[in-house]
Amino acid sequence: DIQMTQSPSTLSASVGDRVTITCRASQTLSGWLAWYQQKPGKAPKVLIYKASSLESGVPSRFSGSGSGTEFTLTIGSLQPDDFATYYCQQYDSYPYTFGQGTKLEIK
Amino acid sequence: QVQLVQSGAEVKKPGSSVKVSCQTSGGTFSTYVISWVRQAPGQGLEWMGGIVPVLGTANYVQKFQGRVTITADTSTSTAYMELSSLSSEDTAVYYCARRGDSYGAEYFLYWGQGTLITVSS
Repeated sequence: DIQMTQSPSTLSASVGDRVTITCRASQTLSGWLAWYQQKPGKAPKVLIYKASSLESGVPSRFSGSGSGTEFTLTIGSLQPDDFATYYCQQYDSYPYTFGQGTKLEIK
Repeated sequence: QVQLVQSGAEVKKPGSSVKVSCQTSGGTFSTYVISWVRQAPGQGLEWMGGIVPVLGTANYVQKFQGRVTITADTSTSTAYMELSSLSSEDTAVYYCARRGDSYGAEYFLYWGQGTLITVSS
């Protein structure tokens, strides 16, 4: 199975900050990586797919990059609505696996 | 617009089984994988398995092999996840999710609202 490791586990930041979350895969991916945002009591929502493609309707302050085993999610200028938990997920091969999550908190 | 609507919360006894449904509307049901993802309280997301309804064959995570059965009824566009031999560790929110429509869009674009399963004596 492909293990996905996110860092940091918790991130404290302020509105307007630029933040980056990293996701490392235990094996090389063919770019089939997605990023999700989840708020308490809600289902996850996809932000980025295929490592760097922005899902329709997602604000352009979200961006993804990376290849191989290292990927990043960047939020260009934090808005109040962005404080949530973020997960990466590989869909390169079964079983699909998620990172453990990064909780983005208000500083 | 694709929508996935799940059955309601349940409380189950240890050792029993639970069957959660996921009815889809809009879009194509039969040819796209429907997956099940669970989330224990305060924990992360865990893919359990998925099914291509028209084929009726399912993939399962080895951890759940032998305890989980995922099925689909194409006549009602409904997928099911049955989990047996429940223990307190199975207390979680269970989500169904569907991939996107375009080529290679195997990520989870559409999600059900989640079903809380509580296992307690």
